[in-house]
Amino acid sequence: NAGVTQTPKFRVLKTGQSMTLLCAQDMNHEYMYWYRQDPGMGLRLIHYSVGEGTTAKGEVPDGYNVSRLKKQNFLLGLESAAPSQTSVYFCASRRELTEAFFGQGTRLTVV
Amino acid sequence: AQTVTQSQPEMSVQEAETVTLSCTYDTSESNYYLFWYKQPPSRQMILVIRQEAYKQQNATENRFSVNFQKAAKSFSLKISDSQLGDTAMYFCAFMPTQGGSEKLVFGKGTKLTVNP
Repeated sequence: NAGVTQTPKFRVLKTGQSMTLLCAQDMNHEYMYWYRQDPGMGLRLIHYSVGEGTTAKGEVPDGYNVSRLKKQNFLLGLESAAPSQTSVYFCASRRELTEAFFGQGTRLTVV
Repeated sequence: AQTVTQSQPEMSVQEAETVTLSCTYDTSESNYYLFWYKQPPSRQMILVIRQEAYKQQNATENRFSVNFQKAAKSFSLKISDSQLGDTAMYFCAFMPTQGGSEKLVFGKGTKLTVNP
């Protein structure tokens, strides 16, 4: 049982480049989340989804876009990367009224 | 909006001793879940313990227990018989169960170091 899988695990981007982070879960979970983790800031919610075809903004959505075309996948896009987006990104998923399961994280560096 | 506050950025404890990590939250919801997650140096987020707000009994999981004070909106984690493997970041998290139940909000974390 793979759980929640994030691709890639590491990435270095140049300022202005674009990229997509993929989150895949095989637990048939309705809810999916993207967080970023920065030192001293905890986990801050970027975007989330309550089901296939739905997305919503979290606490820090600027500069990011998301899509959930299939229930098992939640994509996070950076259209024009900036150094301020250097962070560790976590995807999580859960069912109704349960705890969230997390991917292993993606370390993104924007130079 | 719900907020979660962890007032101790860093803590340390000697192996085999007991340590308590603090967490307070702010909400107008009456029904919710609270969680403690552990993040070791491997970066993986691991659920330590969960508490349903409607349950008065404090949750326990082996050496981990919570002190849930609903009126005070406090949710502390006690680690007994601390082990070197408990060294990690610990995050407190809040999740309402109705009216905005999609959100899962985290505190900023407490870095715990267990010394030999």
